[in-house]
Amino acid sequence: EADIYQTPRYLVIGTGKKITLECSQTMGHDKMYWYQQDPGMELHLIHYSYGVNSTEKGDLSSESTVSRIRTEHFPLTLESARPSHTSQYLCASSTRQGGATFGSGTRLTVV
Amino acid sequence: QKEVEQNSGPLSVPEGAIASLNCTYSDRVSQSFFWYRQYSGKSPELIMSIYSNGDKEDGRFTAQLNKASQYVSLLIRDSQPSDSATYLCAVNIIEAGNNRKLIWGLGTSLAVNP
Repeated sequence: EADIYQTPRYLVIGTGKKITLECSQTMGHDKMYWYQQDPGMELHLIHYSYGVNSTEKGDLSSESTVSRIRTEHFPLTLESARPSHTSQYLCASSTRQGGATFGSGTRLTVV
Repeated sequence: QKEVEQNSGPLSVPEGAIASLNCTYSDRVSQSFFWYRQYSGKSPELIMSIYSNGDKEDGRFTAQLNKASQYVSLLIRDSQPSDSATYLCAVNIIEAGNNRKLIWGLGTSLAVNP
């Protein structure tokens, strides 16, 4: 049974639309992460959080925003989707020193 | 130089053999080290964590950490075709404010041939 949930699992959306990818975890982890990964390619860190009201930019954060109002919830928002945003988005959480647990991912296609 | 380095592979081994995967890191004060397995089209899955020098065994998997030489390795004994995947090394580094950030290697592709 998954302890970290991502919705939607798949999303096809038109260029210019605003979208929010949801991520929730039930493990009480302080740290949460958003990664972007294309097939066969490396993980790119988009945003991360050390806890409530903490958000930090990663390597690819310039076109998206996150919020951390509750420990369990870490949504990612793209204000204006573009075809270059087409990718797999992975949410993860961890304890301060522990390894990360990943959700199943959201596969986004922007047409 | 990337902070976490892995050979990209592909590493090809026959079924039943030992697969050896290596990872080096640059941050001398790192304390937490992880190996993940990622099947094509799936999310990474944590398979081993190691925090102190030496070996840690879990079933067919053994993680080995050498902090003095700054490397961590993963051995897979009796390799099976189902072990064919990309293996990612991740290291927790210490940032300003004593926060820890997870840094990832690019992954090593492993193919186990029947």
